[in-house]
Amino acid sequence: SQQGEEDPQALSIQEGENATMNCSYKTSINNLQWYRQNSGRGLVHLILIRSNEREKHSGRLRVTLDTSKKSSSLLITASRAADTASYFCATTHQGGSEKLVFGKGMKLTVNP
Amino acid sequence: DAGVTQSPTHLIKTRGQQVTLRCSPKSGHDTVSWYQQALGQGPQFIFQYYEEEERQRGNFPDRFSGHQFPNYSSELNVNALLLGDSALYLCASSLVHSSTDTQYFGPGTRLTVL
Repeated sequence: SQQGEEDPQALSIQEGENATMNCSYKTSINNLQWYRQNSGRGLVHLILIRSNEREKHSGRLRVTLDTSKKSSSLLITASRAADTASYFCATTHQGGSEKLVFGKGMKLTVNP
Repeated sequence: DAGVTQSPTHLIKTRGQQVTLRCSPKSGHDTVSWYQQALGQGPQFIFQYYEEEERQRGNFPDRFSGHQFPNYSSELNVNALLLGDSALYLCASSLVHSSTDTQYFGPGTRLTVL
C-alpha cells in the first residue's frame, strides 16, 4: 500500500511563481525523500530529509518535515517551465537501502 | 560514470507469456531494488537484492521473481503475464552502507501486456 499522499494532486502556475507541494504519511519514518518524474520516465532524486531534521535546502528547493503532524512540504522557488513534471514523496522506515514507499504523486505544470 | 541502465526500453507481450527485464546499477552500488508503476500511480516496491539474495519483498505474487549477479546487475522475471502487469518497471540502485540513503533510478522498462 502507498503511505505518502501528495496534496494538491495537480498544480498549474506561471513561471517565476513559487510552487508548494504537501505530503502526508501514516506511520513513523526514518527519512522522507522527494523525487521528480518527467513524462513517465525514470525518477530523479531531489532531496532527502531525515526524521530528526526539520528543514533542508538545496538550490531552489526547500523541504520541511513535521513529524508530529506526519507531514512534509516541498517548496520550489522561482519556478521554470523545466520544472513541469510529476513530484512524488517517498518514505523509508529503516536506515540504509530499505524500500521506498511512494505516494500517488502530484502533477506540476509551469506555464511560460 | 554511467548511471542506472535498464533494458529493454519497451516491451509488448501477450497474456500468459513470460518476460525478463534487466538492470545494471550505478557504478559502485551493490543493492538493486525493483518497483512497478501503474499509469497515474506512484511506484510500488517489488523486491530488493543485495549480495545475490532477495533481501526484502513487497506485496507481489510469486509470479514475480528476480536474480542478482556477482557484478551486481539484476533481472526481474514475470511469469504467466496478466493484463494488469502492464506498467513501467523501474530499477533503483544504492549502496547498502551509504550515509546518504539515496536510491538512483533507471529510465524504466515500459511493459504492455495484450
